Amino acid sequence: AQTVTQSQPEMSVQEAETVTLSCTYDTSESNYYLFWYKQPPSRQMILVIRQEAYKQQNATENRFSVNFQKAAKSFSLKISDSQLGDTAMYFCAFMKVFPDTGNQFYFGTGTSLTVIP
Amino acid sequence: DAGVTQSPTHLIKTRGQQVTLRCSPISGHKSVSWYQQVLGQGPQFIFQYYEKEERGRGNFPDRFSARQFPNYSSELNVNALLLGDSALYLCASSRGDFNTGELFFGEGSRLTVL
Repeated sequence: AQTVTQSQPEMSVQEAETVTLSCTYDTSESNYYLFWYKQPPSRQMILVIRQEAYKQQNATENRFSVNFQKAAKSFSLKISDSQLGDTAMYFCAFMKVFPDTGNQFYFGTGTSLTVIP
Repeated sequence: DAGVTQSPTHLIKTRGQQVTLRCSPISGHKSVSWYQQVLGQGPQFIFQYYEKEERGRGNFPDRFSARQFPNYSSELNVNALLLGDSALYLCASSRGDFNTGELFFGEGSRLTVL
């Protein structure tokens, strides 16, 4: 079974500062993807960033980057130059790869991030 | 292009009743997944359908069922509702082929069981 753990229920950061959200996971799979999703108060989940397990290079999307440590099964999200619009619940997610059938996600319990003006 | 749409957005039921939730995926997406998000928790996988066939099922009782139609829309049915079924039910779609796995979520259906 796959488990995803987010040990920080709540975090806050000053606007324009940098914050790191932690995530660890447990799996026996070798082929998988990891994701960070953002859920603003409007509820719709939005993809922030994605990491393929077979890639050693950490993914980056503008102000968002990850620190992927496969051996340690760690997948943290760094948000640089935090903006008020970054205030949301952030979920770390694990996906097993099933060819031809899509995907099945396992989510952590989330980290509520508040950006303070 | 329209995103994933779900209906109804909010509903209130009493224990023992039955509920049907509906989802329309993004055009061209063949896979639909359903997730239950209890307040304060992350989404929990319920079902995945691809090309109208069930491809995955989470750890939910048989009171939960779903189906996918030829136009790839989907319904989630929950029978004999319990108080613990109160949650946000999220539908997500994806292309469904062997891809990078991004899920596109709807805004959810908020179910309250009294």
